[in-house]
Amino acid sequence: GQQLNQSPQSMFIQEGEDVSMNCTSSSIFNTWLWYKQDPGEGPVLLIALYKAGELTSNGRLTAQFGITRKDSFLNISASIPSDVGIYFCAGRALNNNDMRFGAGTRLTVKP
Amino acid sequence: ETGVTQTPRHLVMGMTNKKSLKCEQHLGHNAMYWYKQSAKKPLELMFVYSLEERVENNSVPSRFSPECPNSSHLFLHLHTLQPEDSALYLCASSQVLGLEQFFGPGTRLTVL
Repeated sequence: GQQLNQSPQSMFIQEGEDVSMNCTSSSIFNTWLWYKQDPGEGPVLLIALYKAGELTSNGRLTAQFGITRKDSFLNISASIPSDVGIYFCAGRALNNNDMRFGAGTRLTVKP
Repeated sequence: ETGVTQTPRHLVMGMTNKKSLKCEQHLGHNAMYWYKQSAKKPLELMFVYSLEERVENNSVPSRFSPECPNSSHLFLHLHTLQPEDSALYLCASSQVLGLEQFFGPGTRLTVL
């Protein structure tokens, strides 16, 4: 079955630093999504990717759909305290309607 | 009212109680989902509805009973729950099955 491995599990960084996290799958995906979840809230969609090699930005966030179609990356530049939260990747494999989620990356930003 | 709403936001219930969680989406979507999110665990998909028909039931105990009366509303009926059922229950919707999902704020459930 499709497995999503998201890393790292957690990150502790200083305000102003850049952040990078990634997700890999055991099968080829045709959709990659990145969500952020604040404490006590539901995940909010940040970026959606639909083509291999696609690079999409949303403010200081940039995500890429890997060329192999088995991975995706999320970068956050110049982090600020409100970037704190849990970031989830999600993806859908070819010929499958199931959306799989990674276990999340918990980001802590120290002022 | 926009997006996906869930009520109540917080619920405390005893093991013998019966309660219901409500989800409403104002996006015109055709698919709706229930997820369970426990501390330090990945999201667990519980139920999927497409055009008001249940299309997936991931081995969820019968003490959880979903209901989808129309494409905008989804309920999760709870009875005789266990303390390990305490979690954040998230509802989501998508335009059709397989497209990006939009989540509600969740119901924080505590079972005593």
